[in-house]
Amino acid sequence: EVQLVQSGAEVKKPGESLKISCKGSGYSFTSYWIGWVRQMPGKGLEWMGIIYPGDSDTRYSPSFQGQVTISADKSISTAYLQWSSLKASDTAMYYCARLLRAGISNWFDPWGQGTLVTVSS
Amino acid sequence: DIQMTQSPSSLSASVGDRVTITCQASQDISNYLNWYQQKPGKAPKLLIYDASNLETGVPSRFSGSGSGTDFTFTISSLQPEDIATYYCQQYDNLLLYTFGQGTKLEIK
Repeated sequence: EVQLVQSGAEVKKPGESLKISCKGSGYSFTSYWIGWVRQMPGKGLEWMGIIYPGDSDTRYSPSFQGQVTISADKSISTAYLQWSSLKASDTAMYYCARLLRAGISNWFDPWGQGTLVTVSS
Repeated sequence: DIQMTQSPSSLSASVGDRVTITCQASQDISNYLNWYQQKPGKAPKLLIYDASNLETGVPSRFSGSGSGTDFTFTISSLQPEDIATYYCQQYDNLLLYTFGQGTKLEIK
């Protein structure tokens, strides 16, 4: 079974750093892009960026470029999303999702269960 | 950037009703559009890819249509388990993605 399992909920203070993870199993982790999506409380889905674990090629949404860093460790089939200095506005649920591609067609499936990040003083 | 305008933002319908959600792109995106369902407290789930292709295992009461800039998502006969928020999502060949604002579907 293809699965993405994310790390647990985090409570942090403004200015702290954080790295959350997304571990893939049941498929060749290095052969599929992994994307990250933010969902702020009560709001919609926002695409943040995507990484190809095979060679760490990474693309960012202009809205998130410079705000977060996406990385991957293919030796342990894990992708990461990290912040160097959190803000209260980073409080959100964060999802990872595998990108499936067929020619130019592509879609996200499956999704991880989500990691809730709370930033509060 | 391509903008996606999804409407309505919320919708209340009765069991058995036909429900329609629309998504409009700010420019021609061919059929590069997917639809997701997000139930409360859960991760999104793919329902339809490439505007009209039903994902394996998804009930046939769900369907999608459209191309270019105008797209439609339809539930032919609303069931209680369809209560969720639905999102359209466009993609391109540069691996850039945009979601619609979402439509929250409730039972009347």
